[in-house]
Amino acid sequence: AQSVTQPDIHITVSEGASLELRCNYSYGATPYLFWYVQSPGQGLQLLLKYFSGDTLVQGIKGFEAEFKRSQSSFNLRKPSVHWSDAAEYFCAVGGGGENKLTFGTGTQLKVEL
Amino acid sequence: DAGITQSPRHKVTETGTPVTLRCHQTENHRYMYWYRQDPGHGLRLIHYSYGVKDTDKGEVSDGYSVSRSKTEDFLLTLESATSSQTSVYFCAISEKGGSFYEQYFGPGTRLTVT
Repeated sequence: AQSVTQPDIHITVSEGASLELRCNYSYGATPYLFWYVQSPGQGLQLLLKYFSGDTLVQGIKGFEAEFKRSQSSFNLRKPSVHWSDAAEYFCAVGGGGENKLTFGTGTQLKVEL
Repeated sequence: DAGITQSPRHKVTETGTPVTLRCHQTENHRYMYWYRQDPGHGLRLIHYSYGVKDTDKGEVSDGYSVSRSKTEDFLLTLESATSSQTSVYFCAISEKGGSFYEQYFGPGTRLTVT
């Protein structure tokens, strides 16, 4: 069965600092990987996705993520965080002909001014 | 914006009453999904649909049923609501022509069962 682990429940960074959110997955085949962001009271918005090819993917709002098969990881990064990035971030995995995603439990990001 | 609306957006109901949540889409997407979101659990799949009258269970389907009589509407029913079903419910679609897994979400329905 596929699973996703986001080891950090909460992360606090200062505005302008760099950010890395961790995501580890368990999947038997080549995974499809996603990062979503959820602002308070809102639905989830797709930030970026990895299907194949270049392991460094760019997304919206200046975010990027790197797929590392050897580490079963898909960490999300941003070089300089803005106060508006404060939100909850979810990593998800899918693949293998199943039309379903498995989500991690999320990482809550707080940005200090 | 994937053209997804959910109704109602907020609902308070009593234990034991039936509740139906509606997800409506305007862009003829084949796949539709219902999730619940709870603190510490992320999003968990309740049921999904891969066409009119074609549905399947997700990981937390007990106590829920779904129906899809037309492409644009996917209904989630709690036959007899319990306090454990207090949650935020999200509908999602997979975009037509794209990967099955590229899902887009509606705004959510906050359900409170007292």
